[in-house]
Amino acid sequence: EPEVTQTPSHQVTQMGQEVILRCVPISNHLYFYWYRQILGQKVEFLVSFYNNEISEKSEIFDDQFSVERPDGSNFTLKIRSTKLEDSAMYFCASRIPYAYEQYFGPGTRLTVT
Amino acid sequence: GIQVEQSPPDLILQEGANSTLRCNFSDSVNNLQWFHQNPWGQLINLFYIPSGTKQNGRLSATTVATERYSLLYISSSQTTDSGVYFCAVEDSGGGADGLTFGKGTHLIIQP
Repeated sequence: EPEVTQTPSHQVTQMGQEVILRCVPISNHLYFYWYRQILGQKVEFLVSFYNNEISEKSEIFDDQFSVERPDGSNFTLKIRSTKLEDSAMYFCASRIPYAYEQYFGPGTRLTVT
Repeated sequence: GIQVEQSPPDLILQEGANSTLRCNFSDSVNNLQWFHQNPWGQLINLFYIPSGTKQNGRLSATTVATERYSLLYISSSQTTDSGVYFCAVEDSGGGADGLTFGKGTHLIIQP
């Protein structure tokens, strides 16, 4: 069964560094999402992406964040200058058009020191 | 935006017991999904159920869209059922809105 994959599974970075989190959505999916979950809290929506542009974004998704689909398979989330409070689990999700079920990847645990 | 409330926040049961988890939401939805977060933090998709009833083994779910609630039933609980269960919804306003998650129910199954 096809699944969403994410790399790396765990990333440790120093405050102020740039990080790129990578996702490979399911191949025929056209809607892509990023979510984050700070330890012990609920999962929060960051951004959705369709047709090579951002569809919706939350208040969390400020100028420090950007998303890109650099080729036909990858979907990336970049954090330009990481802060301690960016430490969280980041989930990628995808879905097909005209069906609303979202398929989640296993997550990347980001630790900012 | 849409509000999601889950109850109870915590539930401790003995192995073999049955449980019912509830999710209330404040608006009409295109999407409602139940997830189990395992000890490694992964979100395991249990059900996509914006309306109706579904069953998968010992788990079943019912969503009554007109009354804006969903229930997740776990029968004959096992210790591996322990973890956090999240309900997540997407309102029916169109576009590519993200899912709004509830705060979860933390389930502990004791041997």
